Amino acid sequence: QSVLTQPPSVSGAPGQRVTISCTGSSSNIGAGYNVHWYQQLPGTAPKLLIYRNNNRPSGVPDRFSGSKSGTSASLAITGLQAEDEAVYFCQSYDNTLSGSDVLFGGGTKLTVL
Amino acid sequence: EVQLVQSRAEVKKPGESLKISCTGSGYSFTSNWIGWARQTPGQGLEWMGIIYPADSETKYSPSFQGQVTISADHAISTTYLQWSSLKASDTAMYYCARLSAKAFDVWGQGTMVNVSS
Repeated sequence: QSVLTQPPSVSGAPGQRVTISCTGSSSNIGAGYNVHWYQQLPGTAPKLLIYRNNNRPSGVPDRFSGSKSGTSASLAITGLQAEDEAVYFCQSYDNTLSGSDVLFGGGTKLTVL
Repeated sequence: EVQLVQSRAEVKKPGESLKISCTGSGYSFTSNWIGWARQTPGQGLEWMGIIYPADSETKYSPSFQGQVTISADHAISTTYLQWSSLKASDTAMYYCARLSAKAFDVWGQGTMVNVSS
């Protein structure tokens, strides 16, 4: 059971907008840690999609955007395309006695209808 | 080009030992932490631990502390993930990834480990 909670699946038709939530708590996202998002296409390694809540690495289309508020974060995808069908993971950190631990969300499977 | 290249897939029997590797190129290998993650169909991505190759400082996830050993040889830009006695439950895909500004910005291609009698 991940400490960062994501919906198992979302879907949308081509051209639509979808959002994927990532819900944490006061010891992780709510403690001020940034949230990063990764896209994992079928049969491939994860790829960094959004870093530090709302920043896109070079080459990532501006159809992808991120936001963070309180103990949650969201990934929005506009103008949905067939090639966006993938699993999306959020990642942050959690306060521990020894500092901070990496946390991944459970992943959300996006289906393009 | 910055990349991490992992060792090939492995098929092992329970109780056997294993060491898989992750070799970086295209950047200063000692400048970034490298993390390891496990992925299984039922559990998604699980963080296992991270290592700083310059001095081999290591931090483990509580879930994997004592179960695996992460090490590095910065002279050959390589980090390792090691098991002394594999279990069937270790069957998974394992990824290494470079940590930059707290995000994993470059990932290896993955190493599949299959443990079966």
